[in-house]
Amino acid sequence: GAVVSQHPSWVICKSGTSVKIECRSLDFQATTMFWYRQFPKQSLMLMATSNEGSKATYEQGVEKDKFLINHASLTLSTLTVTSAHPEDSSFYICSAREGISQPQHFGDGTRLSIL
Amino acid sequence: GIQVEQSPPDLILQEGANSTLRCNFSDSVNNLQWFHQNPWGQLINLFYIPSGTKQNGRLSATTVATERYSLLYISSSQTTDSGVYFCGGGYALNFGKGTSLLVTP
Repeated sequence: GAVVSQHPSWVICKSGTSVKIECRSLDFQATTMFWYRQFPKQSLMLMATSNEGSKATYEQGVEKDKFLINHASLTLSTLTVTSAHPEDSSFYICSAREGISQPQHFGDGTRLSIL
Repeated sequence: GIQVEQSPPDLILQEGANSTLRCNFSDSVNNLQWFHQNPWGQLINLFYIPSGTKQNGRLSATTVATERYSLLYISSSQTTDSGVYFCGGGYALNFGKGTSLLVTP
């Protein structure tokens, strides 16, 4: 149980394009979903927290106009990297949680490479 | 936000050895998890342990919530235990910098 599916697993695209990443909880309803970013050899950095039907809460230093997050249902959240540039290249990982005192379940991540 | 400090940053063990990884938190946390990140980047959930002690095979974890730290024990280590171990805590998990473990044959 508690499976989180993330797609795509790998994206390569040209600078200036927008990329959408999907995160789905397959067998539970996720009241809260999270988006993280990880650079090589570094830790996971929280980008934003989203609750179903509400606007996402972004961490300090994360551009909300660059990283659009939508949590339209209890099983789906999307992250759209708008007008992506090479410095946006990174490993993006989502997670989902059923309730406040519940573990976070992580997707397998998306490797984004902007040329 | 909550600051998470992990130690040691790097660890090299011979197969069969035991080890202890530590996580300190700057504030009390209601959620605390340990993960193993494999070479493909997948985060494998090891324990959800906001308090108390849990065991799963050769791995066990203890969290002393009042003193804001958690320990991960690996016994009889195997080469497949190699990788990076992260702990995270808080409403939204804030992660430490990880412990990079290499187990040699």
